Amino acid sequence: EAGVAQSPRYKIIEKRQSVAFWCNPISGHATLYWYQQILGQGPKLLIQFQNNGVVDDSQLPKDRFSAERLKGVDSTLKIQPAKLEDSAVYLCASSLTSRNTEAFFGQGTRLTVV
Amino acid sequence: AQSVTQPDIHITVSEGASLELRCNYSYGATPYLFWYVQSPGQGLQLLLKYFSGDTLVQGIKGFEAEFKRSQSSFNLRKPSVHWSDAAEYFCAVGSSNTGKLIFGQGTTLQVKP
Repeated sequence: EAGVAQSPRYKIIEKRQSVAFWCNPISGHATLYWYQQILGQGPKLLIQFQNNGVVDDSQLPKDRFSAERLKGVDSTLKIQPAKLEDSAVYLCASSLTSRNTEAFFGQGTRLTVV
Repeated sequence: AQSVTQPDIHITVSEGASLELRCNYSYGATPYLFWYVQSPGQGLQLLLKYFSGDTLVQGIKGFEAEFKRSQSSFNLRKPSVHWSDAAEYFCAVGSSNTGKLIFGQGTTLQVKP
């Protein structure tokens, strides 16, 4: 079974530029999560989708971050404009449903904002 | 407020020695508890999970964890550590309704030869 795919693996941008990350969840998984992991910290949930609807985006900085999950499959996370403090690893995860199931994580995208 | 505390930021053990990583949580309802491992440059791999039932949970790679409700703890143990166990370990508490995970800050494990 293929895992959660993310691209790119690494990205370096200047502050105030924009960037987008892509995630392809495990086939058939209805729930998709984006987590932000700042160096030295545990991952923090940014946004959760159930199919193509948003379940939780309470921690998403909506003035600069946006995310979508078209057709309930792939998802993109965008930052515009980026700030230095956005430097982090962005992890995508998926689960079969949102209840009583484990989440599977991708390898993440490491973003460096200079 | 829901939170997870991993008191030890960094632990060093000798290869072959036993290991215990501590995790304490604060959660209003019955918690779903997880331990994940992260090697450098990699995503998170699930070691084990507790949803209900037996409070001693067996996981992959010889790890186990014990849920103690009275102490709000979910400590991870391994009887004999291998050099390949060197990594970062995260404890997490999950919502049974949404699946949202709240992670601790992680414990970095170093293994001495």
